[in-house]
Amino acid sequence: QVQLVQSGAEVKKPGASVKVSCKASGYTFISYGISWVRQAPGQGPEWMGRISPYNDNTNYAQKFQGRVTMIADTSTRTAYMELGSLRSDDTAVYYCTRDHSPDSTSSAFWGQGTLVTVSS
Amino acid sequence: DIEMTQSPSSLSASVGDRVTISCRASQSINSYLNWYQQKPGKAPKLLIYAASSLFSGVPSRFSGGGSGTDFTLTISSLQPEDFATYYCQQSYSGPKTFGQGTKLDIK
Repeated sequence: QVQLVQSGAEVKKPGASVKVSCKASGYTFISYGISWVRQAPGQGPEWMGRISPYNDNTNYAQKFQGRVTMIADTSTRTAYMELGSLRSDDTAVYYCTRDHSPDSTSSAFWGQGTLVTVSS
Repeated sequence: DIEMTQSPSSLSASVGDRVTISCRASQSINSYLNWYQQKPGKAPKLLIYAASSLFSGVPSRFSGGGSGTDFTLTISSLQPEDFATYYCQQSYSGPKTFGQGTKLDIK
């Protein structure tokens, strides 16, 4: 079965960077895009961007351009999301998600989430 | 960016009720509309994709409709496990924006 297992919770200071990992199993890794979605406390989900492990094409939300980097390591079937210049309003649960199909970017499978807390 | 607006923001209903949640896009998104269910402390779960296609394993009491700018999620007969928050999301273009959510609770 499809599984996405994310790295553990992080506490960071303002201005620092955080790198969250997402290890995939149960499907052909290069065939499906991986998106990253975050959810601040008490808020709705927010889409951050997507990477295609097939060709490393990325598509970032403009809000995060210049601060976010998404990588897919096909040798270890692991996707990474790095967010820099952290601020207190970046405190959120960060999820990796897998596309429903090669033709559909709906988020069919979700990791368990990684809580990132930004605090001085 | 495409803005997604859900209504109502909250809804109280009883087990067995039929409920409908609406979602409106700020521009046409054809049928690139997804619905998710989220329970407290859990990741969202995909219910409906492409406006009306039921994701694998989702009970048939859930259905989706609409195209262009106006969409609906209907639960035909509410079950106790359906009380949750529901989000729509467009996957047509730009950042794949979500609606603000509809919280469904027990009357």
